[in-house]
Amino acid sequence: EVQLVETGGGLIQPGGSLRISCAASGFTVSSNYMSWVRQTPGKGLEWVSIIYSGGSTYYAGSVKGRFTISRDNSKNILYLQMNSLRAEDTAVYYCARTYDYGDSDAFDIWGQGTMVTVSS
Amino acid sequence: DIQMTQSPSSLSASVGDRVTITCRASQSISSYLNWYQQKPGKAPKLLIYTASSLQSGVPSRFSGSGSGTDFTLTVSSLQPEDFATYYCQQSYSTPRTFGQGTNVEIK
Repeated sequence: EVQLVETGGGLIQPGGSLRISCAASGFTVSSNYMSWVRQTPGKGLEWVSIIYSGGSTYYAGSVKGRFTISRDNSKNILYLQMNSLRAEDTAVYYCARTYDYGDSDAFDIWGQGTMVTVSS
Repeated sequence: DIQMTQSPSSLSASVGDRVTITCRASQSISSYLNWYQQKPGKAPKLLIYTASSLQSGVPSRFSGSGSGTDFTLTVSSLQPEDFATYYCQQSYSTPRTFGQGTNVEIK
């Protein structure tokens, strides 16, 4: 079964760090584009970061320099390292396979999400 | 960044109704437009990719059209399981951006 399962969310103080994980089954993370997307009640869905199969990474301006996307090919896991966390980073974080249709892409498989709350 | 604007923000409809949701991009995105459905407490689900291609397993009552800056998602005959929030998303450029969502409620 093709599946993504996120773990690692929780309550963290402003300025703190947290790493969330996304374990994939049924397909190979390193052979696909993989993204993180977050959702807040006030701002809806926001794309956060992508890692391409070749290893290139890109980030939203709001997290650039603070967040790092990576993967462990041997474990088939995607990570998001989040540093210098702010209250506005509070959201449900989803990992999503970003399927390459050739000349376009879309988030075709999503995890169940993990909640990250930044608060003192 | 490309801004995506959906209309309406919410609508009320009855089972069997034909429903159309519009998405407008702040610049031309060719056909690089995807549609998602999200139910409360669940992750979004891909319905349509590249403006008009139906994702595998999605009922044929869902269809998409448009190119350039203006796009539509149509549900030909609304079913009880279709009451949800719908989002458009552009895949033309990075950062990928989403519309604000359209909540389809039961009338």
